Amino acid sequence: DGGITQSPKYLFRKEGQNVTLSCEQNLNHDAMYWYRQDPGQGLRLIYYSQIVNDFQKGDIAEGYSVSREKKESFPLTVTSAQKNPTAFYLCASSNNRGSNEQFFGPGTRLTVL
Amino acid sequence: ELKVEQNPLFLSMQEGKNYTIYCNYSTTSDRLYWYRQDPGKSLESLFVLLSNGAVKQEGRLMASLDTKARLSTLHITAAVHDLSATYFCAVAPIGLNNNDMRFGAGTRLTVKP
Repeated sequence: DGGITQSPKYLFRKEGQNVTLSCEQNLNHDAMYWYRQDPGQGLRLIYYSQIVNDFQKGDIAEGYSVSREKKESFPLTVTSAQKNPTAFYLCASSNNRGSNEQFFGPGTRLTVL
Repeated sequence: ELKVEQNPLFLSMQEGKNYTIYCNYSTTSDRLYWYRQDPGKSLESLFVLLSNGAVKQEGRLMASLDTKARLSTLHITAAVHDLSATYFCAVAPIGLNNNDMRFGAGTRLTVKP
């Protein structure tokens, strides 16, 4: 089955810790994205990557870092510099052609204790 | 900067009634997307609208795009309880930054018997 997977589904972090959220896709999509969603709000773009070894900041990149060493994978690290990291994190991918429609993974809910 | 506004933000409907959700955006775009989100879940793609005058229908939902007015509508016909969810529109700007998609705040729809 083709799709996007995210892990873990739930993540708890102590203040001051870095954590890494995993995102993998087997859709052969070139572009991948990370979004943050706060309760009752829309999605805000953290980072996106159009090709391997390249990525761009979105609106709220501060306190986050990413890497894109493989086409299939786009992990997001939430660093201790992110002051309010409790949120729902969604990863998406698109084929970067035609409609460029983004398909979303199931999400990771991060809670800071 | 591309801004996307949805209204209403909250919508309570009786089953069997019709209603329209509006999505306005601030700069030129030729791609607009509608997504559905159930509570605690990820986003599911509903419609992709790629040209002025585009209209797409799936079941009781119909989406349209007017690029000159920078407006998309999502019309609900004879609502049923299963349509209860949050609906997001998302707009991609024209140009090199067309991966930098912006989401509306979402319309939380509740359909009551």
